[in-house]
Amino acid sequence: GQQVMQIPQYQHVQEGEDFTTYCNSSTTLSNIQWYKQRPGGHPVFLIQLVKSGEVKKQKRLTFQFGEAKKNSSLHITATQTTDVGTYFCAGFNAGGTSYGKLTFGQGTILTVHP
Amino acid sequence: DTEVTQTPKHLVMGMTNKKSLKCEQHMGHRAMYWYKQKAKKPPELMFVYSYEKLSINESVPSRFSPECPNSSLLNLHLHALQPEDSALYLCASSQILGQLSYNSPLHFGNGTRLTVT
Repeated sequence: GQQVMQIPQYQHVQEGEDFTTYCNSSTTLSNIQWYKQRPGGHPVFLIQLVKSGEVKKQKRLTFQFGEAKKNSSLHITATQTTDVGTYFCAGFNAGGTSYGKLTFGQGTILTVHP
Repeated sequence: DTEVTQTPKHLVMGMTNKKSLKCEQHMGHRAMYWYKQKAKKPPELMFVYSYEKLSINESVPSRFSPECPNSSLLNLHLHALQPEDSALYLCASSQILGQLSYNSPLHFGNGTRLTVT
């Protein structure tokens, strides 16, 4: 079945440093979504990428979708303590699975030291 | 704040109890989901309802029984659970786009933290 690998599993940074998490899929994706889950909270949708090579920005966050639509990254510039949480990617392959069956990466747990 | 409401927030139940988790959304979404999440793990899909019909069952044990009474409500009935079923149970909803070529973003509720004793 489809697999989405996400690295790193953990990332500890000093406030102000940059952070990047990467996702790689075993199959070509129709779209990929990114979610953030604060400690004790629920996943919150951040962004969706659909087009090959797409780049989207949200303030200090930059999201990329690879040309082959098999990999994606989330980059945070100058981290802040409010960025703490777990970041998940979730991919969907319309040709290979049923609607609604997103495949989540394992997540990257980000801690930010002030 | 979340537009998907789950009750209760916390639940402790014995292995012989019967309980239900409830989820409600008023965003007009026609897909609703149950996920199970263990600590430091990603959400694990259990069930998907599309247009109030069960479309995906990820081989979930029969001690979990989903129900979708209408387009706004989703229930998860629990019976004879095991301690290993203790987890955060997340409900989510999403739009269903006409072409089904990609999955719409999920809107998660706050979850029910379930402990089975």
